[in-house]
Formats: sequence, C-alpha cells, structure tokens
Amino acid sequence: EVQLVESGGGLVQPGRSLRLSCTTSGFTFGDYAMSWVRQAPGKGLEWVGFIRSKVYGETTEYAASVKGRFTISRDESKSIAYLQMNSLKTEDTAVYYCTRGRTLASSDTFDIWGQGTMVTVSS
Amino acid sequence: DVVMTQSPLSLPVTLGQPASFSCRSSQSLVHSDGNTYLNWFQQRPGQSPRRLIYKVSNRDSGVPDRFSGSGSGTDFTLKISRVEAEDVGVYYCMQGTHWVTFGQGTRLEIK
Repeated sequence: EVQLVESGGGLVQPGRSLRLSCTTSGFTFGDYAMSWVRQAPGKGLEWVGFIRSKVYGETTEYAASVKGRFTISRDESKSIAYLQMNSLKTEDTAVYYCTRGRTLASSDTFDIWGQGTMVTVSS
Repeated sequence: DVVMTQSPLSLPVTLGQPASFSCRSSQSLVHSDGNTYLNWFQQRPGQSPRRLIYKVSNRDSGVPDRFSGSGSGTDFTLKISRVEAEDVGVYYCMQGTHWVTFGQGTRLEIK
C-alpha cells in the first residue's frame, strides 16, 4: 500500500525554524517528485513547492510566498522528503501535506496525499 | 501565474439530485506535450484531499462513476450525477500545466 506520513509539526515562535518530514512507503521513491501543499485554517489549498526526482537532478521550485525561507530536500536511502522552514511567520500557520507525482504535469500528479501535520506559528 | 476561478463557492443540493462545479483558468491549460493537466480533488470534513479526476476526464481508481469531468482549454466542469450524503465536502480544481495552482474551492452541502 502506498503511504505518505508527515511528521514534525507543532507550535513555534515567529522567526524560528521547523523541519517537517514525509516518510513514504509502498512505491519507488526515487521515481517521483515530492511536493508540499499547505492549508491555512478554514482556507483552501496552496502549493508550497516540490523537489524533482534524481533523474531530473533533485532540483527544487517554490511558491513566491515561501521562496528564500523554505527548502525542500530528499533522502533516497530513507525514502523521506523534508521541508525545512526558516524565518517562520504567523501566516505560515497551516496543515502541511506532502504528495507525489513523477512531475507536476503527469497522470499521477498528486494522486496520493499524507494525513498532514499542523504547524502553528505564534508567540 | 495562472489563476483558477471556481464557481459557485457554495452549492446546496438535494440528495439524489445532480451537482455541477465550474472551474476556469486565466490561460489555456494545454501543455506543450498536448495533454491538459487539470485535476479535481474532494476534501471531506477533517480529511486530506483525495484526487477524483486527472487530465480533465479520467476517474481515479475507486471513484464512483457518478463523478465525471469534462472541458477543454480554459473551461472545465465536474459533475455528480446523483449526490449522496458522503459527497459532502469541498471540491478543488488544480492545474499542473504551468507549475501548480488550485482553485479556491466549492463547498457542497445537502439542502
């Protein structure tokens, strides 16, 4: 069974950092790009960014709202994707989901989602 | 950036009746490879999003056939032929042709 499990969320003060993990199983991690999508309380879905697979150089792309503050990485040996969040702002408060897709433009884009992990940025 | 506009924002429907969701993009979603990467997601209360439809009209495995997607270019529609109680939630369209953008969502409720 394909599974994505996010972890690492919690309460953090503005300006501090937090790292989220997305632990995967049930598929060949190396074949897929991994994306992060967030949802502020009571709001819609916002794409945060993604990291391409190794064959595409593990390069990353980010939404303008997080560019320069957030970094996505991956560990092929552990089949885990990470979201490093620095200089957190109150507006980063959201449930953070990880999801997969071979690319952003493919038949399997965002076909599987994790359960999400809540990040609250507050003093 | 491609803007995705969904309407209506709220959709009250009687059980057993059809429902229709509209999604419009600010530019064509036809990719250079000839495909149109327009997906539909369902998010039930308290749950993660679930993909229903990919590339405009392809149903995901396990999705009931009362769900169907159609459209082209910049105008897309998700239809439910007969609404059931389990269909309550928010429906989002998403384009993957030009990076990723989600619509603001349409909330389906039972009248």
